[in-house]
Amino acid sequence: GAVVSQHPSRVICKSGTSVKIECRSLDFQATTMFWYRQFPKQSLMLMATSNEGSKATYEQGVEKDKFLINHASLTLSTLTVTSAHPEDSSFYICSAPGGGGYTFGSGTRLTVV
Amino acid sequence: AQSVTQLDSQVPVFEEAPVELRCNYSSSVSVYLFWYVQYPNQGLQLLLKYLSGSTLVKGINGFEAEFNKSQTSFHLRKPSVHISDTAEYFCAVSEGQGAQKLVFGQGTRLTINP
Repeated sequence: GAVVSQHPSRVICKSGTSVKIECRSLDFQATTMFWYRQFPKQSLMLMATSNEGSKATYEQGVEKDKFLINHASLTLSTLTVTSAHPEDSSFYICSAPGGGGYTFGSGTRLTVV
Repeated sequence: AQSVTQLDSQVPVFEEAPVELRCNYSSSVSVYLFWYVQYPNQGLQLLLKYLSGSTLVKGINGFEAEFNKSQTSFHLRKPSVHISDTAEYFCAVSEGQGAQKLVFGQGTRLTINP
């Protein structure tokens, strides 16, 4: 079935640095990728929607200059957290329509120290 | 815009007992409904989905859900739970399939006690 490979699974970075998270669709083309953020013991909140070859659409309250999304090919979408701060520590999950529904990556646990 | 409400944040159940996790949605158009399970520090695994057709949907791990349009509900049920069912469960809705975003409920923590 459709698989989305997400890397890294865990990352610890220093405050002020940038972190890139990659999501690759395997065996299918993902023209759209949804990026979610999940704080501890909370639900998934949609941050943005990326579309191959065009600008991402951000949800209200999400800083587009802080969370840079690139969807340069039909199999790769990336989220870069720029100038990370401790409050950005969270679980980030990508999802692509496919396989008759939605396929999720395994998530990235970001810890900013 | 669509929204999802999971009425119970936590549900404790004894092993081998039945369980029902409640989900209600709100939308002005036709929707597609999903239940996902999440184990600690992992992504989401699809349990089942309703796209069209029979309102009773059977999923993996012995779970099933019934779509009730008049009550705008999509409750998840299992007749006999196991310790391994302990996890977080999310109900989600999209207004149409494909490239439409998924909106999630708040989640229900299911804890199975021996």
